[in-house]
Amino acid sequence: AQSVTQPDIHITVSEGASLELRCNYSYGATPYLFWYVQSPGQGLQLLLKYFSGDTLVQGIKGFEAEFKRSQSSFNLRKPSVHWSDAAEYFCAVGSTFGNEKLTFGTGTRLTIIP
Amino acid sequence: NAGVTQTPKFQVLKTGQSMTLQCAQDMNHEYMSWYRQDPGMGLRLIHYSVGAGITDQGEVPNGYNVSRSTTEDFPLRLLSAAPSQTSVYFCATRRLDVYEQYFGPGTRLTVT
Repeated sequence: AQSVTQPDIHITVSEGASLELRCNYSYGATPYLFWYVQSPGQGLQLLLKYFSGDTLVQGIKGFEAEFKRSQSSFNLRKPSVHWSDAAEYFCAVGSTFGNEKLTFGTGTRLTIIP
Repeated sequence: NAGVTQTPKFQVLKTGQSMTLQCAQDMNHEYMSWYRQDPGMGLRLIHYSVGAGITDQGEVPNGYNVSRSTTEDFPLRLLSAAPSQTSVYFCATRRLDVYEQYFGPGTRLTVT
C-alpha cells in the first residue's frame, strides 16, 4: 500500500530565510507526487505536482520540489519565505495504475517569524 | 464558475442525529471524493466516485454513505452521528484523465 511520511510536524523559519519541507513516500513503482498548501480555515490548494520527466518541478508562489527516486523523497523548497507562506503543507502520493486514491501525509505546519 | 462548493460551512449535531453534507461542482469532473481531516492525521479518504452511479469506499468509510445520481453532486450522509465523526470534511474533484484535485472550502462538523 502507498504511504507518505512528513517527519516534521512544525517548522519555524525567519522571513527571508530558505525553506525545505521533507516528504518521503512508499510506493512500488513511480508514483504521482503532489504538494498542497492549506491556509487557516481554507481548503487545499495545489502547489506543484510530479508525474514524470524532469525531477525538479516548479510550482506556484515560488515553490519547487525535487523527486529523488533513490531516496523515495519529494522535498519542497523555497529560497526565501514570505510571511504569507505561513500555512500547513501536505505531501500526497497517487497511484499510476488506475487506483483512484490519493494518500496524504500528516502535514507540516510552517510558522514565519519576522 | 464556482468550482467546488460545500454546504453547510459549520454544523453541530447531537449523537444519533443524521445529516447530509452537500458537495457540488460545475467543472464537469467525473471524479469526486470525500475526505476527513483530523489533527495529526492528515486527510483520509472516505468515499469516492468515478462517475454518476459509481461509488467506492476509501480508507475510512464506516458510518458514512454516498450516492452519485448526477455528475455535479456528491452528497455525504451520516445516518447516526457519533462523536468520533467530529472533523473537517472536504470534497475534492478532478477529471479522470488529469490527476489534479480541486478542493472545496470544507465543512466543520461537531458531534456532541
